[in-house]
Amino acid sequence: DTAVSQTPKYLVTQMGNDKSIKCEQNLGHDTMYWYKQDSKKFLKIMFSYNNKELIINETVPNRFSPKSPDKAHLNLHINSLELGDSAVYFCASRKAGGRTDTQYFGPGTRLTVL
Amino acid sequence: GNSVTQMEGPVTLSEEAFLTINCTYTATGYPSLFWYVQYPGEGLQLLLKATKADDKGSNKGFEATYRKETTSFHLEKGSVQVSDSAVYFCALSPTQGGSEKLVFGKGTKLTVNP
Repeated sequence: DTAVSQTPKYLVTQMGNDKSIKCEQNLGHDTMYWYKQDSKKFLKIMFSYNNKELIINETVPNRFSPKSPDKAHLNLHINSLELGDSAVYFCASRKAGGRTDTQYFGPGTRLTVL
Repeated sequence: GNSVTQMEGPVTLSEEAFLTINCTYTATGYPSLFWYVQYPGEGLQLLLKATKADDKGSNKGFEATYRKETTSFHLEKGSVQVSDSAVYFCALSPTQGGSEKLVFGKGTKLTVNP
């Protein structure tokens, strides 16, 4: 049983295109996140949603727009892709309000912008 | 602000060697501390965690103790195996409840040779 899943796993596209990455969790968690991992493996938070509401937006360009249609899904849409957007994007989820803070990560989406 | 500093890699060890990966943190309040592991081509998995001072997290032979006095959470394993080769991330969650993000260190790549 996959806990946090992402599609696609790989995404190769041209500069200037618009693309979306999807994330779904079946853990019943309330909070979902998007992280970006750059070529040096550095991980940084981008967004966080709690019960479909945006909680964290970490100075990410407006070209990135997260959308949470329901608690179990958090999608990431990217407009006008740039070379610097090439990275691995990880979705994660967490049960907010509990004593445990563990975030569960998806397998990642490797985005390559040519 | 909140930040995590972990030792620069890469670290290369022989099988059965002792492993230490240093991690120190800066945070306001009382963060929870985590070690995540990323095996080649995969997403992040929680390795262990500690949510208050003097707690020891342990899993798969790895251990780390939450030291508030030295703001450290060093990862140790007495005898590494080839299968431990991965990138290890130290992280903190600034609060023990709510929707806070994870703040990651830059990762330490470990290679274990037979």
